[in-house]
Amino acid sequence: DGGITQSPKYLFRKEGQNVTLSCEQNLNHDAMYWYRQDPGQGLRLIYYSQIVNDFQKGDIAEGYSVSREKKESFPLTVTSAQKNPTAFYLCASSPGGQETQYFGPGTRLLVL
Amino acid sequence: QKEVEQNSGPLSVPEGAIASLNCTYSDRGSQSFFWYRQYSGKSPELIMSIYSNGDKEDGRFTAQLNKASQYVSLLIRDSQPSDSATYLCAVNPPGSSNTGKLIFGQGTTLQVKP
Repeated sequence: DGGITQSPKYLFRKEGQNVTLSCEQNLNHDAMYWYRQDPGQGLRLIYYSQIVNDFQKGDIAEGYSVSREKKESFPLTVTSAQKNPTAFYLCASSPGGQETQYFGPGTRLLVL
Repeated sequence: QKEVEQNSGPLSVPEGAIASLNCTYSDRGSQSFFWYRQYSGKSPELIMSIYSNGDKEDGRFTAQLNKASQYVSLLIRDSQPSDSATYLCAVNPPGSSNTGKLIFGQGTTLQVKP
């Protein structure tokens, strides 16, 4: 089956801890994106990548880091510098350019 | 002024009626427009994309784009209770042709009552 997978579904972070959210796609898409969604809000772009080994900051990159070592994978690390990490994190991919973005099922991050 | 604006709702319509969802955007050079549906606790799924002025129909859904007035709308005919969800409008702003960067509105919650 082709698609985008995110893991885990729920993640709990202790204060001062870094956590990594996984995003994998087998759609052969060049572009991948990370968004954050807070309750009652739209999606805000954290980071995006158009090609392997290259990525750019989105609108709210502070406190987050990413890597793009493989075309299929775009993990997001929420660092201890992100003081308000509780949110629904969504990964998306697209063939590139202005093509449609398709979303994974999301990871809900909660702070203990 | 927000870049992409939607009325948060809720918009309540009776089953079988037409639901009309509206979205305005601030960047006049925006070129690609998308409507996503998001059920509570789930991720967004694409409903429609539209790139040129006019109407685009897909089943019960019609997207309407008016670049001169900077708005895009989504009409849902014969609304069903299963259409109850939040509808997100997304826009490719100018300069995003290579990045695919999208700006999302906050979404409109639609409630279809049996």
